[in-house]
Amino acid sequence: AQSVTQLDSHVSVSEGTPVLLRCNYSSSYSPSLFWYVQHPNKGLQLLLKYTSAATLVKGINGFEAEFKKSETSFHLTKPSAHMSDAAEYFCVYNTNAGKSTFGDGTTLTVKP
Amino acid sequence: ETGVTQTPRHLVMGMTNKKSLKCEQHLGHNAMYWYKQSAKKPLELMFVYNFKEQTENNSVPSRFSPECPNSSHLFLHLHTLQPEDSALYLCASSQDGGQNTEAFFGQGTRLTVV
Repeated sequence: AQSVTQLDSHVSVSEGTPVLLRCNYSSSYSPSLFWYVQHPNKGLQLLLKYTSAATLVKGINGFEAEFKKSETSFHLTKPSAHMSDAAEYFCVYNTNAGKSTFGDGTTLTVKP
Repeated sequence: ETGVTQTPRHLVMGMTNKKSLKCEQHLGHNAMYWYKQSAKKPLELMFVYNFKEQTENNSVPSRFSPECPNSSHLFLHLHTLQPEDSALYLCASSQDGGQNTEAFFGQGTRLTVV
C-alpha cells in the first residue's frame, strides 16, 4: 500500500535559521508528491509539487524540496525561517488514480 | 485567496438540526472534494466528485449527504449529527482529479455540534 510519513509532529526553529521538515513515502511506482501549508483557521495552500520532472523543486515563499528515490524521501527545506512561516505543513502523496494520502502534519514554530 | 469559497465559515448546530455546507469554485475545475479535519487526526477524505459524478465515498456515515449540482458547486447536507462530527470541513477542487494535479482548498467551515 502507498503511504506517506511525516517524521516530526513538531519542529521549532529560531527566526533566520534553516527549516527542515521531513517526509518519507512508500510506493511501488513513481509517485506525485506535494507539500501544503495551513495557517490557523485557514485552508491548505500548495507550496510545491513533484511530478517526475526535476528532482529539486522550488516553491513559494522560499521553500524547496528534493525528491530522493533512493531514500524514498521528499523533505521540505527553507534556508532562513520567518515568523510568518509558523503553520502546519502537510506532505501529500497522489496515487496514479489521483487519490491523495495526507501525512499527519508537522507543526512549525518559529521563535523570535 | 485560492478561488474556492466555503460558506458559512462557522456553524453551530444541534443534533436534531438539518443544515448544509456550501462550496463554490470558478476555476474551471472538474473535480471537487470534501475533507474532514479533526483535532489530532489526519485529514480525512470524505467524498470525491469528478465531472459531477461521485467517484468516492470513503465510508462516510449517511448523516452526511453530498450533492454536486454542477461542476462549480458542491454541498454537504448534514442531519442528526453527533458531537464527534465537530470538526473543520474543507472543500477542495482540482483540474481533473489526476495524479499530477494539485488541489485548491477553501478556508473551511468550522462545525460545532452541540
